[in-house]
Amino acid sequence: DGGITQSPKYLFRKEGQNVTLSCEQNLNHDAMYWYRQDPGQGLRLIYYSHIVNDFQKGDIAEGYSVSREKKESFPLTVTSAQKNPTAFYLCASYGRGDQPQHFGDGTRLSIL
Amino acid sequence: DQQVKQNSPSLSVQEGRISILNCDYTNSMFDYFLWYKKYPAEGPTFLISISSIKDKNEDGRFTVFLNKSAKHLSLHIVPSQPGDSAVYFCAASGPTGTYKYIFGTGTRLKVLA
Repeated sequence: DGGITQSPKYLFRKEGQNVTLSCEQNLNHDAMYWYRQDPGQGLRLIYYSHIVNDFQKGDIAEGYSVSREKKESFPLTVTSAQKNPTAFYLCASYGRGDQPQHFGDGTRLSIL
Repeated sequence: DQQVKQNSPSLSVQEGRISILNCDYTNSMFDYFLWYKKYPAEGPTFLISISSIKDKNEDGRFTVFLNKSAKHLSLHIVPSQPGDSAVYFCAASGPTGTYKYIFGTGTRLKVLA
């Protein structure tokens, strides 16, 4: 059963700590995306990747980093430089022109 | 500068009646529009989409209308059911080949039994 798996579902970060959110897909999609959702706001694009070993900054990339070493995996690191990391993080993937982006179930990140 | 706007943060509708959710956009290069439905603590699920070459697309109880001259799209749900209660996001993409979506801020729909 194909889909996107995000882990963990809940994550807590201490001050000054980097944390990494996992996103794995078995849909054989080339493109993957990371979004951030804050209360009362839409989904804002953090980073995206259309092909392995290549990624681009989205609208709010500061304080975040990504890697795309494998087609199936697109981990997001929230660094200590991100001063307001508390949010719901969503990963998505995209296969071809007539299909929409498909989302995982998200990771909620909170500050201890 | 918000390119995709959903000006109604919430909407309440009686079960069985029509729900109309609205979305406005500013970028005339957008050529593909989508609606997603989201429950709390879950990822958005795709609902329906429309290409700019059409002005209407229907899928069961869900119909999306596109008015390009007004840069406006709407989602109609008929009849509304309590299970439709969720947050609905519209998204826009384009020009063709740009596989990035711009999302609106969402409208919380509550269908009253």
